[in-house]
Amino acid sequence: KQEVTQIPAALSVPEGENLVLNCSFTDSAIYNLQWFRQDPGKGLTSLLLIQSSQREQTSGRLNASLDKSSGRSTLYIAASQPGDSATYLCAVTYGGSQGNLIFGKGTKLSVKP
Amino acid sequence: GAVVSQHPSWVICKSGTSVKIECRSLDFQATTMFWYRQFPKQSLMLMATSNEGSKATYEQGVEKDKFLINHASLTLSTLTVTSAHPEDSSFYICSATTSNTQYFGPGTRLTVL
Repeated sequence: KQEVTQIPAALSVPEGENLVLNCSFTDSAIYNLQWFRQDPGKGLTSLLLIQSSQREQTSGRLNASLDKSSGRSTLYIAASQPGDSATYLCAVTYGGSQGNLIFGKGTKLSVKP
Repeated sequence: GAVVSQHPSWVICKSGTSVKIECRSLDFQATTMFWYRQFPKQSLMLMATSNEGSKATYEQGVEKDKFLINHASLTLSTLTVTSAHPEDSSFYICSATTSNTQYFGPGTRLTVL
């Protein structure tokens, strides 16, 4: 069964800290992996997308890495800010670009001022 | 950028009634739309894949007679929850694909009393 696990489920850090969110997936034959942000009661915002052939992607203070063979990805957030508080979801796609996304349960991040 | 809207953003209904949720791609045509459901503290789970002009493909365990999906045009898909019950209360999110990317709507919070 294809599953995505995210650790930790929740994380609280003081403003300014660097932090790492973890994602693991059971089937390494992914097409791509995405990290999303979800604010309470809101939809999803795509943060970073890593194709299966890539090792990492960067956008501003965010850096996502992918180790396909070990079934792991990390999302690194540098110099965290209160505005980063949200739930971060990891999702993998199998079966090509039109394949459906399989999501983890997310990591709820709280950055305290 | 590609924008997906959903209507309504929230709805409260009595048990036994039917509720229709609309998903629109505002500035692009989407041959494929996806419907997801998210229960509290759970992953987003794919319910069905909706292709314009054809019948939707439902995931295992999702009742096609209860969750009616109509994809009548390249910019609109609707999900109708028929004879809703309290256990159907959830957050429903749609996504639409273009250029091999899924764009998500803001979601609809359904509460069945």
